[in-house]
Parts: sequence; structure tokens; C-alpha cells
Amino acid sequence: GAVVSQHPSRVICKSGTSVKIECRSLDFQATTMFWYRQFPKQSLMLMATSNEGSKATYEQGVEKDKFLINHASLTLSTLTVTSAHPEDSSFYICSASLGPNQPQHFGDGTRLSIL
Amino acid sequence: KQEVTQIPAALSVPEGENLVLNCSFTDSAIYNLQWFRQDPGKGLTSLLLIQSSQREQTSGRLNASLDKSSGRSTLYIAASQPGDSATYLCAVAGNTPLVFGKGTRLSVIA
Repeated sequence: GAVVSQHPSRVICKSGTSVKIECRSLDFQATTMFWYRQFPKQSLMLMATSNEGSKATYEQGVEKDKFLINHASLTLSTLTVTSAHPEDSSFYICSASLGPNQPQHFGDGTRLSIL
Repeated sequence: KQEVTQIPAALSVPEGENLVLNCSFTDSAIYNLQWFRQDPGKGLTSLLLIQSSQREQTSGRLNASLDKSSGRSTLYIAASQPGDSATYLCAVAGNTPLVFGKGTRLSVIA
């Protein structure tokens, strides 16, 4: 149980393109989903917390106009990287939790490469 | 600000050896601590979660301990196998969102 699906697994696109990444909880309802970014050999850094039906909470230094998050249902959150540039190339991972103080279950991540 | 440190950064051991991975955190006011496994280019797989009131958790060949007062946790892997090769991350949950260490890259040599 507690499976999180993330799609796509890899994206390669030109600079200036907007890219949408989907995160789905397949067998449970997640009121809260999280989006992380991971640079090579670095730790996961939380970008934002996505709450169903309300605006996402962004961490300091993360541009909310660049990283658009939508959590329209209890099983789906999306992250859109708008007007992506090479410096946005990274590994993006989402997670979902059954509730406060419960384990977070992670998707397989999306490798984003901007040329 | 919570900071999580993992030592060593990398570890290479022969198959069959028992090993210990270390995790330390600066703020002891945590709700739980979680150990994850990450394979190259992949997401995270949750291995063990220890609530702040617990001292240890076990799953198969894995045993994780938590000493909240000293800000430390260890992940013990018994009888290591080549399939255990991966990066192991610890993360703490507290008043701040989940904070991760940089991980320990483990290689188990057959």
C-alpha cells in the first residue's frame, strides 16, 4: 500500500519551455503532498508543501511564480516549472503522507534536463 | 534551524559484513526520524520510521536506533548483500518540514 506515482520520469526540453510534473497517490488519499528538489550528491531540499484545495506553502528562496503547484484533488498534485532554464535542471521528487506525523511515501522522481 | 549530518559520506564493505550508518541532528525536538534508501536516479524507499517516543525499530536485517537527547540515530545492517548497495538517507520531522541528511553511499562488494 501507500504507492505514489510520479510522471514523467525524465524530461529533456529547450530553454523557455514550461514543464508539468504529476504526482499521484494511487491507493490512498493525501491531503498533503510535498515537492522536493535534489542536486547531484546533495540532500533533498523541500520546495513546497501542497495542500488539497488551498494554496501551496513555499520554502524560503523558492519562487512561487516559477514553480506553480496545484493540488486539485486528494490524489493528485502537479508542479509546473514555468519558462525553464538550464539552472532548473535537477531531480524533482514528490511525496505524500497519510497524515500528520505519518511516514512520507515518495514517488520515483523526475529528471529534468533543460538544454 | 534543524541540521542533519550523516557519517560516513561513503562506505564500501565486503559482502556479509555487518555495518552501521550514523545520523545526527541538532534540534532534539523531533516527532520522528525516518531512514530511506535511494537507488541511483530513483526516488526514495522508506525503510524504518522511529517515533520520538521509541528507541528502536527493526525490519528484517535492518535495525534503527534513536537517542533523541543526544541527537543521534544509527542504522544497523546485518549480513550485508550486494543488493544493499544504495544511498541511505535519514530525515527528521519536527516543527520544520522533513529535513534530510546528505546520505551515506553504500557499496557492498561481492
